[in-house]
Amino acid sequence: DAGITQSPRHKVTETGTPVTLRCHQTENHRYMYWYRQDPGHGLRLIHYSYGVKDTDKGEVSDGYSVSRSKTEDFLLTLESATSSQTSVYFCAIAYLDTQYFGPGTRLTVL
Amino acid sequence: RKEVEQDPGPFNVPEGATVAFNCTYSNSASQSFFWYRQDCRKEPKLLMSVYSSGNEDGRFTAQLNRASQYISLLIRDSKLSDSATYLCVVKKYGGATNKLIFGTGTLLAVQP
Repeated sequence: DAGITQSPRHKVTETGTPVTLRCHQTENHRYMYWYRQDPGHGLRLIHYSYGVKDTDKGEVSDGYSVSRSKTEDFLLTLESATSSQTSVYFCAIAYLDTQYFGPGTRLTVL
Repeated sequence: RKEVEQDPGPFNVPEGATVAFNCTYSNSASQSFFWYRQDCRKEPKLLMSVYSSGNEDGRFTAQLNRASQYISLLIRDSKLSDSATYLCVVKKYGGATNKLIFGTGTLLAVQP
């Protein structure tokens, strides 16, 4: 158990509304990541953080922003949700040589 | 061309069978390699790391061929509980962080 929780676990929202997903970890890991998973694409990196207030973009960052004001929390915000952002979102932490994932958030944008 | 390619399957095998999954990667700078397992509607979980010398964990054997940029996973004596999607993952070093590149996964269905 990597001690990672995500909230909410499921969300349905409408196009154009803002949405914030939360990732919380209890083990004081420095690196945290947000991925999305879609059929035929595997997991794709959205943003990552290498410390409090230190973040950078991944390969599919358009339409997303992140914030990390505390070591334990990494927030992913969709400023104005679109249907193309319907996906499963996973948070991860880096530990030893690899990454461990939270349980995921299933987001549907109507 | 995707950086990590896997046969999507599905692989339908009977209990007790031996099954092998293959994965190729395109970036020769990739430094570390892993197999993850993902159950339906769950998060990916690390199954095992893959070392150049090959490594075994119970019924699972992973091998790496750097010259051919090829990774494999062998599952012996398949169990119903092995049914899942298996993700091939490579790690690239550089910059402020090390990034994982995921294959799209190979679906295994073990039949009774």
